Amino acid sequence: QLQLQESGPGLVKPSETLSLTCTVSGGSISSSAYHWGWVRQPPGKGLEWIGSIYFTGTTYYKPSLKSRVTISIDTSKNQFSLKVSSVTAADTAVYYCAREEKSSASSWGQGTLVTVTS
Amino acid sequence: QSALTQPPSASGSPGQSVTISCTGTSSDIGGYIYVSWYQQHPGKAPKLIIYEVNKRPSGVPDRFSGSKSGNTASLTVSGLQAEDEADYYCSSHAVTDSAYVLFGGGTKVTVL
Repeated sequence: QLQLQESGPGLVKPSETLSLTCTVSGGSISSSAYHWGWVRQPPGKGLEWIGSIYFTGTTYYKPSLKSRVTISIDTSKNQFSLKVSSVTAADTAVYYCAREEKSSASSWGQGTLVTVTS
Repeated sequence: QSALTQPPSASGSPGQSVTISCTGTSSDIGGYIYVSWYQQHPGKAPKLIIYEVNKRPSGVPDRFSGSKSGNTASLTVSGLQAEDEADYYCSSHAVTDSAYVLFGGGTKVTVL
């Protein structure tokens, strides 16, 4: 049974960099069938796709976030990571990691709340 | 890249059907078969219920069905049940200068 688990600080100061890691268990992150992505949801609002990565390191980002977002992958640890730079209160959200196939997210982590506050 | 357009709310009585629309452009819904729908209950992670316009993952009841016409996709929930009360989101593969995924704004379905 595939499981994804997000981890990282729950509080980040404005202008700093948000960093999260997703640990995948029950399956290999090196599978050629999937991409590994990040989705966020501000409190009380809708879902926003952030970006995804293939096991080769090829990345795809939402255009409006591309300048601030970096997604990386560590196949030796079966993990992938998200960094969002220069955060503001608008980046406060529940952040989900997910396994994607043909632009569908079929497996999700439980989500982790990240609050941007001084 | 604006979000896909969904109605904010929809409702129906138990046993009835409800249909949710999701409108995009030729750069997303209209151009690709990679349209998905997700169900999200409060405080829970989203759950994939439809992929590639009209395919259901294993374990999703056949009460859930999807379709697409032009730049608009639709999700129909037939035989509404109390547990179907949730938020529903559409998403689509999109390409402008690069490939990405767009979500709709979400529709709250209420079972009356």
